[in-house]
Amino acid sequence: QKEVEQNSGPLSVPEGAIASLNCTYSDRGSQSFFWYRQYSGKSPELIMSIYSNGDKEDGRFTAQLNKASQYVSLLIRDSQPSDSATYLCAVSKNTGNQFYFGTGTSLTVIP
Amino acid sequence: EAGVAQSPRYKIIEKRQSVAFWCNPISGHATLYWYQQILGQGPKLLIQFQNNGVVDDSQLPKDRFSAERLKGVDSTLKIQPAKLEDSAVYLCASSLNPGGGDGYTFGSGTRLTVV
Repeated sequence: QKEVEQNSGPLSVPEGAIASLNCTYSDRGSQSFFWYRQYSGKSPELIMSIYSNGDKEDGRFTAQLNKASQYVSLLIRDSQPSDSATYLCAVSKNTGNQFYFGTGTSLTVIP
Repeated sequence: EAGVAQSPRYKIIEKRQSVAFWCNPISGHATLYWYQQILGQGPKLLIQFQNNGVVDDSQLPKDRFSAERLKGVDSTLKIQPAKLEDSAVYLCASSLNPGGGDGYTFGSGTRLTVV
């Protein structure tokens, strides 16, 4: 069983729609959760972090965490073509430990 | 602040040759990571340093990969001898806090092609 699993996609949404990206993780002891965006040929960049159950909003992005279901998601409202990228979910078990990354979900926003 | 610096950006070598990558983290970041990202996959941790000590190298193929961070600042990752399956992007990242509690900052990566 993989530490972190994501639907590889591709996911296509029209411009202005809500994009929903999902991630599940295997270790119930995981404590820190991150979403990274990676444009083709570029390195990952951090867009959201979440540590407790519930929602966390930052601009057009909302991260949702449900530890009981071992599920973390990222919602992108009012999707723009510039949001087209691969979104990586990363999970850390404990402070000081490594991140485990999913394989990423490819998102395409269609103008 | 300056970001994580990596060099070279690209490298093409023949199998069985050796190669080295260099990374300079963000100033003041004590924790440094080397990740391997194979095309279509997520990054996989190779080694984590805290200052000049190794925290985790459990996924580093030690028969061919080595890494050092002698003065607790910049770091070098070496592969000797390289195999075809080592073709990947090698990403260096750093964080202020151990475990990257606020997330990592990645460098631009080194794209290695082994032919």
